[in-house]
Amino acid sequence: GAVVSQHPSRVICKSGTSVKIECRSLDFQATTMFWYRQFPKQSLMLMATSNEGSKATYEQGVEKDKFLINHASLTLSTLTVTSAHPEDSSFYICSARTGAANEKLFFGSGTQLSVL
Amino acid sequence: GQNIDQPTEMTATEGAIVQINCTYQTSGFNGLFWYQQHAGEAPTFLSYNVLDGLEEKGRFSSFLSRSKGYSYLLLKELQMKDSASYLCAPMDSNYQLIWGAGTKLIIKP
Repeated sequence: GAVVSQHPSRVICKSGTSVKIECRSLDFQATTMFWYRQFPKQSLMLMATSNEGSKATYEQGVEKDKFLINHASLTLSTLTVTSAHPEDSSFYICSARTGAANEKLFFGSGTQLSVL
Repeated sequence: GQNIDQPTEMTATEGAIVQINCTYQTSGFNGLFWYQQHAGEAPTFLSYNVLDGLEEKGRFSSFLSRSKGYSYLLLKELQMKDSASYLCAPMDSNYQLIWGAGTKLIIKP
């Protein structure tokens, strides 16, 4: 099956710093990539949807100036958490879709962000 | 609104069979996915149903009834490694996946 690589898998940073998370589709071109966050024992929460070469579509309540998403190519999307605060500590997961809207998602391995 | 109802937690014995039920309400419907998520890891795809009936794939089977807004995931010959959360995720008319908190399955020896 298709592989989505996400890194770093774990990051600890100081409050006020910025953190960049990369998501790459290794053996396919991802027309659409999704960014989720997940708190312990809770459901995946969609943050934004990005299509290559266009601006990301953010879900209601997600600050686009705080969570910067860049989908520069068909194989790479990045999420930058700017001026991170302890409440941003969470599990961030990217996923990608190869083509049709009803196709399954392939998930990256996730990034555990801890902000001190 | 859109919502998903799954049991929060279930316990089963190694070697046995367990059925995880899911009822859903969505704005439109474009199929339903089941994902497995081990603690601290990302979800992995298990199955996709878009038509009514049973889809069998090895030890795992998934059933869908669109008229009832109901699906279940059936796991046979349970193994310890099956201990995980199982996420039922219907897709709405905008092709958005709707996620619930999932069912945490605990397998005991």
